[in-house]
Amino acid sequence: DAGVIQSPRHEVTEMGQEVTLRCKPISGHNSLFWYRQTMMRGLELLIYFNNNVPIDDSGMPEDRFSAKMPNASFSTLKIQPSEPRDSAVYFCASRRGESEKLFFGSGTQLSVL
Amino acid sequence: SQQGEEDPQALSIQEGENATMNCSYKTSINNLQWYRQNSGRGLVHLILIRSNEREKHSGRLRVTLDTSKKSSSLLITASRAADTASYFCATVRGNTPLVFGKGTRLSVIA
Repeated sequence: DAGVIQSPRHEVTEMGQEVTLRCKPISGHNSLFWYRQTMMRGLELLIYFNNNVPIDDSGMPEDRFSAKMPNASFSTLKIQPSEPRDSAVYFCASRRGESEKLFFGSGTQLSVL
Repeated sequence: SQQGEEDPQALSIQEGENATMNCSYKTSINNLQWYRQNSGRGLVHLILIRSNEREKHSGRLRVTLDTSKKSSSLLITASRAADTASYFCATVRGNTPLVFGKGTRLSVIA
């Protein structure tokens, strides 16, 4: 199994540009999570999906952030327009079932200049 | 919130010594999980302990859970330089997502 796959690994963009982060969860996993990690705030849960349906997006910072999961094997996190304070590492994680362990991707290091 | 809080924030020990990290939480749980993060990488699951378990072992790892005190500890025995990482706990209740604390940064000095 290839694990959770995230792309790109690194993204450098200018303020105001649109950024799209991608995630492919492990096959057979029915829950997907997007987290953001910074030194100041630690690991923050942004949004999670169960069976491709968004369950809780209360962690999404503001309307500039949106996430979709069009099918069981793909999810995107979009930031439009991006701002320097969005600079962070964004992680995607998936799990097979309720209460089970999470498998994390390698993350996307986002730098907004 | 199912957030666990790790303590201490940072820990520095010599190779061969044991490292103990603690986690406290506030609500009832189904299980508690410990994760490890090497610098620049995603979190990796280490061990899961269910609410009806009191102790669990995995290699050099020993985890305890005290539901009456709402606390858990992670013990790494005979530490190695390669154990240098950040360690996080997270509690789980039903189908809610895992919420992580700020973690404990462990440095093992060779």
